[in-house]
Amino acid sequence: RKEVEQDPGPFNVPEGATVAFNCTYSNSASQSFFWYRQDCRKEPKLLMSVYSSGNEDGRFTAQLNRASQYISLLIRDSKLSDSATYLCVARGSQGNLIFGKGTKLSVKP
Amino acid sequence: ETGVTQTPRHLVMGMTNKKSLKCEQHLGHNAMYWYKQSAKKPLELMFVYSLEERVENNSVPSRFSPECPNSSHLFLHLHTLQPEDSALYLCASSQDLSTDEETQYFGPGTRLLVL
Repeated sequence: RKEVEQDPGPFNVPEGATVAFNCTYSNSASQSFFWYRQDCRKEPKLLMSVYSSGNEDGRFTAQLNRASQYISLLIRDSKLSDSATYLCVARGSQGNLIFGKGTKLSVKP
Repeated sequence: ETGVTQTPRHLVMGMTNKKSLKCEQHLGHNAMYWYKQSAKKPLELMFVYSLEERVENNSVPSRFSPECPNSSHLFLHLHTLQPEDSALYLCASSQDLSTDEETQYFGPGTRLLVL
């Protein structure tokens, strides 16, 4: 089983849509989680950390379900500029970051 | 800009060449990392340095040789690479290692093509 698994997409959505990405992780000892965003041919950039109680940053909401080892990212009111690949990341038991392959989002006018 | 720079941004090399990738961070961080990102694969951690000492080596072939002369600079020396080593090589840094809240900041990467 892959350590961090994501649906690769692509997700093609119209502007203004709400879109949700899901991610599962295999290491129950993982303590912290993140969503990174990677634009085409660019480096990954931290989008937000994921906290146990869930957290929101503007149009973005991240949630964590430890029992199911499941993380989600919800984007409301999608903008064209949201088009990117979204990487789900778990911290491994040795402190290293473990990345999923990413989910590609394309927001169309 | 994230405060992590990498040079060169693009590199084409033959299998017999020797080249080096350079990373510099201007964030005052203590930990630095090399990752490899191949098409349709997740980022793979290659090397980790903390306070200029290597703390992890994820079974990376010896044709990749890291060097960390100080806490701001990290090099990846390449020699006798194979075509399957073609990938985006990303450098990252973080304040310290392994705390739950620690996040990593990436450089723009070096896109390497081995012919």
